[in-house]
Formats: sequence, structure tokens, C-alpha cells
Amino acid sequence: ETGVTQTPRHLVMGMTNKKSLKCEQHLGHNAMYWYKQSAKKPLELMFVYNFKEQTENNSVPSRFSPECPNSSHLFLHLHTLQPEDSALYLCASSQDLGPNTEAFFGQGTRLTVV
Amino acid sequence: GDSVTQMEGPVTLSEEAFLTINCTYTATGYPSLFWYVQYPGEGLQLLLKATKADDKGSNKGFEATYRKETTSFHLEKGSVQVSDSAVYFCALKSRPDYKLSFGAGTTVTVRA
Repeated sequence: ETGVTQTPRHLVMGMTNKKSLKCEQHLGHNAMYWYKQSAKKPLELMFVYNFKEQTENNSVPSRFSPECPNSSHLFLHLHTLQPEDSALYLCASSQDLGPNTEAFFGQGTRLTVV
Repeated sequence: GDSVTQMEGPVTLSEEAFLTINCTYTATGYPSLFWYVQYPGEGLQLLLKATKADDKGSNKGFEATYRKETTSFHLEKGSVQVSDSAVYFCALKSRPDYKLSFGAGTTVTVRA
């Protein structure tokens, strides 16, 4: 399997639930990202990891907790979310954080908070 | 800070029509510029890129030229197909941290 794989593809959770999103890349990349895509808004960068170390937290609420155990896997742990957190969550990876390297995206997890 | 502005959609075209999606940017120094495409139910994928002024990126019949003087990177295709229906995102990377900054996206629908 190649590319960036996200699971689950769809998730419905209550505001008191705890769930996790998983992202896996088989591209040998060193950087991984979480983005949030909401309707009618630009993609919002949430977190950046480079060689397993978090290099960016874009003022994301603490109810979102990322984890990067190795360069191939990235998780987003969710707890006590709000309905406005419903969105498509996209994972991406890139070879490095350089100016010309492209990001490869997964298909996303469609999250609905009820 | 860095920003990307692209034309608002939605854009609806007939097959074989000419497509232009305008994109302008504000950035520090000379950024790298990208167009990404998102087909229904999919994640984003790189369509083309340009890394310096006057570079032309091209792929699948799409083209965009990096214009430093007008800070623009407009996307064009001469003859669209139904399969080109998607959301198109203009993006840039610039100093110092080279984070990808995206425009709001333009939804394009091509009718047979």
C-alpha cells in the first residue's frame, strides 16, 4: 500500500466521547501534518511534525491532541468536542519542510459531532 | 502574513470551454506557488507548481505561470472535460517556515 491512508473515513461522535483519528504514510517522508477543512473556509493548518517532533501548533484548542509515535504514523486524539468541530480532517506528509517540496494528502476523515 | 486570494466560485462550464481561475498572493520574499485539486470524496493532490518567477507549471492540460510583477499564479486549461469537475486550491510556501498557505478554493463544475 502506498500514499497517505486515513482511518476512519467517517466518524460520528457525541460531545462527551473520546475518539482518535489515524494517519499512516508509506512514502518515507519525515514531516506530517493535520489540516481542518470546513465548509466555505480555507484549509486550516493545525499541527506539524518533523522527525516525530511537533514544530507547529496553530493555536488549536486542547480538546485536539496530536501524537506522532514515529515518522510514518500520526494520530489526532479527540475529546469533549463541540458541534463546530464537525469538518473534514486531512492528514498530509512531505519529504521535508523545504520551500519546494509538495505535500501528499490522505482522503480525510469526515467528522460529525452531535 | 502570507495570504492567497483566489476567485470565488462556483464556476460552471460546458465541456471544451476555456477555464481560468485567478489567484493572487501576498508573501515575504519569493514564495513557491502550487495548485492543488480535490476531486469529490478525495483528499487534495498536487496539480502543478512553480518555484521561481516566470516558471510555468503544467500538468493534465492545466498551466499556470508565476508572475512576480503582478503577484499572480492564474490557472488555465484550454478545453475542460467533465472529469475536471473538482475544487481547485491555490497555495504558497514562503520564508521563514515554509508552511503551506491555501486559498479558499474554487469549485468548478463541467457539464456535458
